[in-house]
Amino acid sequence: EPEVTQTPSHQVTQMGQEVILRCVPISNHLYFYWYRQILGQKVEFLVSFYNNEISEKSEIFDDQFSVERPDGSNFTLKIRSTKLEDSAMYFCASNLLYNEQFFGPGTRLTVL
Amino acid sequence: AQTVTQSQPEMSVQEAETVTLSCTYDTSESDYYLFWYKQPPSRQMILVIRQEAYKQQNATENRFSVNFQKAAKSFSLKISDSQLGDAAMYFCAFIEAPQGGSEKLVFGKGMKLTVNP
Repeated sequence: EPEVTQTPSHQVTQMGQEVILRCVPISNHLYFYWYRQILGQKVEFLVSFYNNEISEKSEIFDDQFSVERPDGSNFTLKIRSTKLEDSAMYFCASNLLYNEQFFGPGTRLTVL
Repeated sequence: AQTVTQSQPEMSVQEAETVTLSCTYDTSESDYYLFWYKQPPSRQMILVIRQEAYKQQNATENRFSVNFQKAAKSFSLKISDSQLGDAAMYFCAFIEAPQGGSEKLVFGKGMKLTVNP
């Protein structure tokens, strides 16, 4: 069964460093998403991506965040200068429109 | 703005019993989709069940069923014959009909379900 994969599973970084979180969506999916879940809190939408551009972004997704689909398979989230409050679980998801979003297993980001 | 409310932060149920998780939402749209996701300790998000707002019939998936009350904006999840593996965080979520290539999921705060043997 096809699945969304994410790497790494856990990333530890120093405050101010850049991190890139990687996702491989399901191959025939067209819509891609990043969500964030701070420990003990609800899952929050960050950004959606379709046809090689951002289709919607939340207030959280400020200038320090960027997304890219550098080739036909990967979908990345870059945080330019990490802050302590960026520590969270980051989920990638993908779908075909009007269908279930399939979530990856998440990347746990720890900013020290 | 769309909001999803799960008023019960925690619930427990005895194995083999039935439990109902409540969820309310707020939207001015008539076309939307509702979901229940399960998040076990592994933190993977797993879809349990979905409901399209235009369908009057309540969705059912094996031991999981929903009670969708559109006028009341209520979407509860019933788990029958609870199993130990049902223990997890449960999130109610909502999508308005897609706008310009985006189906942003809006989640509630979640509810922790404990299943007692």
